[in-house]
Amino acid sequence: DTGVSQNPRHKITKRGQNVTFRCDPISEHNRLYWYRQTLGQGPEFLTYFQNEAQLEKSRLLSDRFSAERPKGSFSTLEIQRTEQGDSAMYLCASSLVGNLEQFFGPGTRLTVL
Amino acid sequence: GEDVEQSLFLSVREGDSSVINCTYTDSSSTYLYWYKQEPGAGLQLLTYIFSNMDMKQDQRLTVLLNKKDKHLSLRIADTQTGDSAIYFCAGGSNAGNMLTFGGGTRLMVKP
Repeated sequence: DTGVSQNPRHKITKRGQNVTFRCDPISEHNRLYWYRQTLGQGPEFLTYFQNEAQLEKSRLLSDRFSAERPKGSFSTLEIQRTEQGDSAMYLCASSLVGNLEQFFGPGTRLTVL
Repeated sequence: GEDVEQSLFLSVREGDSSVINCTYTDSSSTYLYWYKQEPGAGLQLLTYIFSNMDMKQDQRLTVLLNKKDKHLSLRIADTQTGDSAIYFCAGGSNAGNMLTFGGGTRLMVKP
């Protein structure tokens, strides 16, 4: 296990299209987080799961965004009807409950034209 | 919600000490973290401090926390060119530990 992986690493799409990203956390990690990072800014929390339950969602997560973690392992983040303002790096992190360290993946860079 | 502020840029010479500062507004953060981000790489946790501590030292890294002023700093001793990166401070809480990040400080180390 080499850490948190995210696919794809880069995605270019046209405005109005739907996109889906995948995150594979470190095995046995029961918490999984999604963050968004725009250029020159720090990451912003979007949502997190404990096992398969989505326990918290940020106000940033509009109704065009949906995240799932159906079996408590990998997670997907879907953005419907993408807008240019969705262009960002989408980061995934995982951790064990009770452990303070979140391990981050390399991110998926989304460009909406 | 929490606001976390950092200065944008710091330049030091190799071998000098670097001090990166951070201020936060929400005193309910239980843990305060420092992360490092290098180009093309994921965020890497450097160190963290509990909110009831004043200082933590870990090899070349020293974290100072002033709860009264809501000020956090990271000191890197004997800074090396490999320390050039963006450094983020972040606050987290017990429940869920969702992190609130500052905007990052770009550290440039000149040989």
